[in-house]
Amino acid sequence: GNSVTQMEGPVTLSEEAFLTINCTYTATGYPSLFWYVQYPGEGLQLLLKATKADDKGSNKGFEATYRKETTSFHLEKGSVQVSDSAVYFCALVRAGSYQLTFGKGTKLSVIP
Amino acid sequence: GAGVSQSPSNKVTEKGKDVELRCDPISGHTALYWYRQSLGQGLEFLIYFQGNSAPDKSGLPSDRFSAERTGGSVSTLTIQRTQQEDSAVYLCASRKSTGWTNEKLFFGSGTQLSVL
Repeated sequence: GNSVTQMEGPVTLSEEAFLTINCTYTATGYPSLFWYVQYPGEGLQLLLKATKADDKGSNKGFEATYRKETTSFHLEKGSVQVSDSAVYFCALVRAGSYQLTFGKGTKLSVIP
Repeated sequence: GAGVSQSPSNKVTEKGKDVELRCDPISGHTALYWYRQSLGQGLEFLIYFQGNSAPDKSGLPSDRFSAERTGGSVSTLTIQRTQQEDSAVYLCASRKSTGWTNEKLFFGSGTQLSVL
């Protein structure tokens, strides 16, 4: 079956530090990959996505590259801000499927 | 409405009582999902609706859980005889259902259920 594995949190960084949140997946075929973010007190919202191998998704300074050879979709940001404090979820959906499979989420806290 | 609306935002109930959670998806969104978010467990898929039908109920944890959707819009998740392990945030999400390339799931803010 499909599965997504994220690095365990919580992650605490100082403002302007470099962020990496690892995500690897198991799926048949060629899934689409997503990062969703949940800010405190809010619902999940799409941060970025990539639908085929070697695609790079980017938004709000965050980036992730679809690596088929390593089945990974790591999230990176060069300089985090306090406002980036949130829970980040990696997710996948197989082509033609309706169901998103999510990782367990990684809580990020950025301190001034 | 402008977004996915869930009610109530918080629900405290006693063990053994029944609860109903409501989801009002974005107008025109035919696909509707329920997920459960437990501490340390991530998002657990519960059920998926396409229109009023639920082709996939495989995620419902037990027969105490049921869901319906009427008029292709509002959905209700019902938990009968609640147990303490049912305590979690219940999330609803919707999408247009035309394909993932140009789509995303829109989530509500969830219902925090606490079973005492």
